[in-house]
Amino acid sequence: AQTVTQSQPEMSVQEAETVTLSCTYDTSESDYYLFWYKQPPSRQMILVIRQEAYKQQNATENRFSVNFQKAAKSFSLKISDSQLGDAAMYFCAYRSAHAGGTSYGKLTFGQGTILTVHP
Amino acid sequence: NAGVTQTPKFQVLKTGQSMTLQCAQDMNHEYMSWYRQDPGMGLRLIHYSVGAGITDQGEVPNGYNVSRSTTEDFPLRLLSAAPSQTSVYFCASSFGRPYTDTQYFGPGTRLTVL
Repeated sequence: AQTVTQSQPEMSVQEAETVTLSCTYDTSESDYYLFWYKQPPSRQMILVIRQEAYKQQNATENRFSVNFQKAAKSFSLKISDSQLGDAAMYFCAYRSAHAGGTSYGKLTFGQGTILTVHP
Repeated sequence: NAGVTQTPKFQVLKTGQSMTLQCAQDMNHEYMSWYRQDPGMGLRLIHYSVGAGITDQGEVPNGYNVSRSTTEDFPLRLLSAAPSQTSVYFCASSFGRPYTDTQYFGPGTRLTVL
């Protein structure tokens, strides 16, 4: 079974600064997808960024980028030029790329990291 | 599009009561699923459906039933609520290839069982 670990329960950053959230995962599969979701106080789960394991290039979405290290099974999220609206709980998630098997399409989530942005 | 909608937003039950959490999507997504979120544990898959008439168990299915009579709706039923089912529940959906397509989440239902 796959597991996802976020070792930082809480992180803080000054507005306009850069912060990196850590995520490691364990899997025996070679094809999979990794995600970062943001959950603000409204509770809505919002997709931030997605990485396909077969792609060596790190994904980027505006101020958000990832450092994907497949051999190390590491998937960190870097937020540049942090804004007050970035304050939220961030979840790292894993999903198998295989269509068959149990829990089809299942997302496996980490425990989450609470990000505080100071003005 | 309204996306994924969930009702109610909040619910308080007494132990032993039953209720249904509603989930609907208007994006013609084939895949729908239910997760529960507990402090310090992230989200865990309860049940999922790959299309109308087809459902299967996820990671934590005990105490919950689902059915999928239409593409749009995927209700989650608690047969006899227990305090251990106090949680925030999320419904998610995606097109017919959940292993490649992005899943969209509803706003969640906060359930408290006394």
